[in-house]
Amino acid sequence: AQTVTQSQPEMSVQEAETVTLSCTYDTSESDYYLFWYKQPPSRQMILVIRQEAYKQQNATENRFSVNFQKAAKSFSLKISDSQLGDAAMYFCAYRSVQETSGSRLTFGEGTQLTVNP
Amino acid sequence: NAGVTQTPKFQVLKTGQSMTLQCAQDMNHEYMSWYRQDPGMGLRLIHYSVGAGITDQGEVPNGYNVSRSTTEDFPLRLLSAAPSQTSVYFCASSQRVNYGYTFGSGTRLTVV
Repeated sequence: AQTVTQSQPEMSVQEAETVTLSCTYDTSESDYYLFWYKQPPSRQMILVIRQEAYKQQNATENRFSVNFQKAAKSFSLKISDSQLGDAAMYFCAYRSVQETSGSRLTFGEGTQLTVNP
Repeated sequence: NAGVTQTPKFQVLKTGQSMTLQCAQDMNHEYMSWYRQDPGMGLRLIHYSVGAGITDQGEVPNGYNVSRSTTEDFPLRLLSAAPSQTSVYFCASSQRVNYGYTFGSGTRLTVV
């Protein structure tokens, strides 16, 4: 079974600065998908970014980018030019490519990000 | 498109009562799942479905039942509510394995 670990329960960043959230995972599969979700106080789960394991190129979405290190099983999220609206709980998640087990998302415990003005 | 719709948004139950959390999606997604979110534990999978008529257990299935009679609907039934089932429940759907899940807005359930 896959596991996902987020070792930083809380992080803080100054507005306009850059912050990196860490995520590691454990799997025996060679192909899979990784995601970062954002959960603001409204509790809505919002997909931030997605990475396919077979792609070496790191995914980017505007101010959000990832550092995907497949051999190290590491998937960190970098938020550049942090904004007050980035304050939220961030979850790292793993999804298998297999049809049945791929129906599951395995989540980390989450990192609470505070953005200071 | 409404996306994933969950009802109710809030619910208080007494121990031993039963209820059904409703989930509907209008995106023709094959995959649907139910998660519960507890502080410090992320989201844990309760039950999931890979299509109409097909369901399976996730990580924490005890005390919950599901059925998937149509592609659109995936209700979660609490058989006999217990205080340990106090949580926030999320329903989610996905088109294919290479897509992320789209989540509903959640149901906050309190069992007293």
